[in-house]
Amino acid sequence: RKEVEQDPGPFNVPEGATVAFNCTYSNSASQSFFWYRQDCRKEPKLLMSVYSSGNEDGRFTAQLNRASQYISLLIRDSKLSDSATYLCVVRGTGRRALTFGSGTRLQVQP
Amino acid sequence: DTGVSQDPRHKITKRGQNVTFRCDPISEHNRLYWYRQTLGQGPEFLTYFQNEAQLEKSRLLSDRFSAERPKGSFSTLEIQRTEQGDSAMYLCASSPYSEVSTGELFFGEGSRLTVL
Repeated sequence: RKEVEQDPGPFNVPEGATVAFNCTYSNSASQSFFWYRQDCRKEPKLLMSVYSSGNEDGRFTAQLNRASQYISLLIRDSKLSDSATYLCVVRGTGRRALTFGSGTRLQVQP
Repeated sequence: DTGVSQDPRHKITKRGQNVTFRCDPISEHNRLYWYRQTLGQGPEFLTYFQNEAQLEKSRLLSDRFSAERPKGSFSTLEIQRTEQGDSAMYLCASSPYSEVSTGELFFGEGSRLTVL
C-alpha cells in the first residue's frame, strides 16, 4: 500500500465551481501534512499546510482527520488559473523528508 | 536568480553510461533534498542532507546512485551504469531550518534524464 494515496483525476470542473480532493495516508504516526501545487512541466510549490483544526487561505480550505487518516482540500469559486496537479504531502515521525502522493489533476474549464 | 538551480536541465545518455547532476541550493538553506519524479507520479524521495551530512536515504537509492554535498553548499547526484528505468526528472529542493514547521521545500526546475 502506498504511504500517501490520492485519486489521480482528472477533475474537470467549470469556472466558479467548488471542488474537493481527498487523500489518505497509511502511517498513523505521521506528524505534518501539506498540500503542494504543481503546474504542468513545473516544479512543485507549497500551497498550504494542514492543521488538525482545519485552516483556510482565501478560496482554499484544508482539513485533517487523524482518526480516519485522511486530508482534504476544498477549492471554492474555481479559477482557470487553479488548473494544476495538487499533491498531498506527509511527513512521518522522526523523518525530515516529505512523502508526496501521486497527485490529483484539476482542469478548470471556461 | 536566487532560487534553486540545477544542471544540466536535460541529459540524454545511453544505457550503461554514468551521469552526474548538480544542484545549487538557495544560499542560506542548510537542508538539501533529492527527489525523482516520473510521469503521472508525485516526487519520490531519494536522499537528504543537512549541511554536508547525508542523514537519510531511501530504499529506492540503489548502490548505483550516490550523492554528495562536500562543503554543505552544492550537491551532486551520480548515477552509475544507467538503466532505462532511471529515466525520470531528478528534482533538487532546499529548505531552511524553519522548514520543519512550515513544510516548505523550494524546488529547482529539475534535471530530466532520458536513458536510451
